[in-house]
Formats: sequence, structure tokens, C-alpha cells
Amino acid sequence: DAGITQSPRHKVTETGTPVTLRCHQTENHRYMYWYRQDPGHGLRLIHYSYGVKDTDKGEVSDGYSVSRSKTEDFLLTLESATSSQTSVYFCAISEDRDLNEQYFGPGTRLTVT
Amino acid sequence: RKEVEQDPGPFNVPEGATVAFNCTYSNSASQSFFWYRQDCRKEPKLLMSVYSSGNEDGRFTAQLNRASQYISLLIRDSKLSDSATYLCVVNALVPGGGADGLTFGKGTHLIIQP
Repeated sequence: DAGITQSPRHKVTETGTPVTLRCHQTENHRYMYWYRQDPGHGLRLIHYSYGVKDTDKGEVSDGYSVSRSKTEDFLLTLESATSSQTSVYFCAISEDRDLNEQYFGPGTRLTVT
Repeated sequence: RKEVEQDPGPFNVPEGATVAFNCTYSNSASQSFFWYRQDCRKEPKLLMSVYSSGNEDGRFTAQLNRASQYISLLIRDSKLSDSATYLCVVNALVPGGGADGLTFGKGTHLIIQP
């Protein structure tokens, strides 16, 4: 299994509070991604990174920001959590942009009350 | 909009049977193709990449038809442990850079029955 960890694994928070999720990899892969998965939807890309300090928006980026200060860490921040951000969040990594085989972390289950 | 369409199932199949499911994709610029497996409340795991010539990995065979824009997965001699959701995934490079090309289907739910 690829060396990807996510923290926390579960979190319950209140509407309006900031939340940061962390993804950590030991594979030294260049590309990192944040997805959310909701019932009735496929995985949807929130943000991705193609290197340290290089990030871009995905399909559902509103309300989220990211940072990547080191190759191994990719942080996802919900500036002011809303109930619509209740979801399961997956981080993924990829070594090669052309083929783009992605390997996923175990996920973070976030509930916003 | 890029889309990947799959029959959500569930497919209920007796143990030992052969099962096949397909997916279709709308973006003709798609360049690489995958099947992922996802168990309940777990992360997606790469099952296999799909090559133009088709490829086989043990009991699993994947085929790609670019002209018709569909991908198939065949599972032979199905096991109870094959019960999962199978995600069809396609990748289309974005001109000018970026790595956001993966589009995921919503998955096909497979249940292998003893």
C-alpha cells in the first residue's frame, strides 16, 4: 500500500468553525489531490497540487483552500465550515501526470453540525 | 461536461459465476483509463489500468473500446471477497498543464452470494 495517511480520521465540528485536514505521504510523489465523496455523486476534485506551493482549483473548490509547503504534506482548510461540507474527504497522490494512476489515503469523515 | 456513466446495480451474482460490467465516457480526449475497487467506508483502491489492447490480471480482464467510448471489466470465477463497488475512472490531460484530469463514475455495486 502507498504510504498515505490522513488526519484526523473522524471529526465533528460546528457550523462556522475553521477546520484543517492533513494529508501526509512518504512516497515523494509530485502530485497530490483532495476529493470529497457524497452519496449519489462520484468522487469530486476539490483542489490539487503539482508541486510545493503550486496548487489549483478543482471542480468543487468554493469554501475550501489548500496549502503545500512540503512535498509530503497537503493541507485542506475549510475556512468556515457549513453543513453542506459534511462529507468523506480523500487525499490522493500520483507520480506521473500523463498516466495519472492515483493512490488514495484512508479518508477523513467530517460532520458539520 | 466530462462524464463517466455506470450502471449502479446492484449486481447480485452467485459465487463462481462470471460477471461483466461496462462504463461509457463522454470526453473523447480521455487518455488513460482505470478500474478502482471501493469497499464500504474505505478508500478507493486501484484495481487495474486499462490499456488499448486490453489486459488481464488473474481473474480480471479489462477492455477498452475507444471508438464507442466504453470500458469493460470482466470478473471470472467470482469470490465472496469480490463484493464491492467498482469505479470506472478516466483521465484526460488538461491543455496547458494541471493534473485534474480524473473523472470518476459513481460506481457499480457488486454482491457475490454464497
